[in-house]
Amino acid sequence: ILNVEQSPQSLHVQEGDSTNFTCSFPSSNFYALHWYRWETAKSPEALFVMTLNGDEKKKGRISATLNTKEGYSYLYIKGSQPEDSATYLCAFINFGNEKLTFGTGTRLTIIP
Amino acid sequence: EAQVTQNPRYLITVTGKKLTVTCSQNMNHEYMSWYRQDPGLGLRQIYYSMNVEVTDKGDVPEGYKVSRKEKRNFPLILESPSPNQTSLYFCASSHFPGLGSADTQYFGPGTRLTVL
Repeated sequence: ILNVEQSPQSLHVQEGDSTNFTCSFPSSNFYALHWYRWETAKSPEALFVMTLNGDEKKKGRISATLNTKEGYSYLYIKGSQPEDSATYLCAFINFGNEKLTFGTGTRLTIIP
Repeated sequence: EAQVTQNPRYLITVTGKKLTVTCSQNMNHEYMSWYRQDPGLGLRQIYYSMNVEVTDKGDVPEGYKVSRKEKRNFPLILESPSPNQTSLYFCASSHFPGLGSADTQYFGPGTRLTVL
């Protein structure tokens, strides 16, 4: 079983502040990294799929970077809003393997 | 509307009573999978299917069966449920372009199963 780690496990951020968290994954045989946003009582929803070293993706106030050589991805949220409160999951796929391995997530709470 | 549906959404059952959780997608996706979510453990893949009649074990397949007779459906079968299968289950689907899936997964609404 591949090891995908996310840190921190949970985070409280004041509304308006910016924040970031990390997903670490095995650097060998990298194929793709997914980021999902999971609100309580809902299903996970896709944010980004990243495949190339140095990839940067952006969706509104949320952006992500990817370093496949060292095996990490950062997710950034600029100017946090209450609706950003959710658990953020990353999932890793290695080359030649069709399985997604998820991290345990970072639970983000925005304090109004 | 593009979606993944699961039924039932909630189920309480007893040990040993066979059950099936259905999953259906209307996006013509090749790849479908089942996950379970347990506190502190993240989403763990139970089984996945790359296409009709092609299924493979994920990381936690013990105690589960699946079938893929049609492209749109991927039922999860618990032949003899036990209390340690009490969990939140998600079905998901995506396109599958070749060796690995760079396409995002679309998740169903989840099924909360309690086995007494």
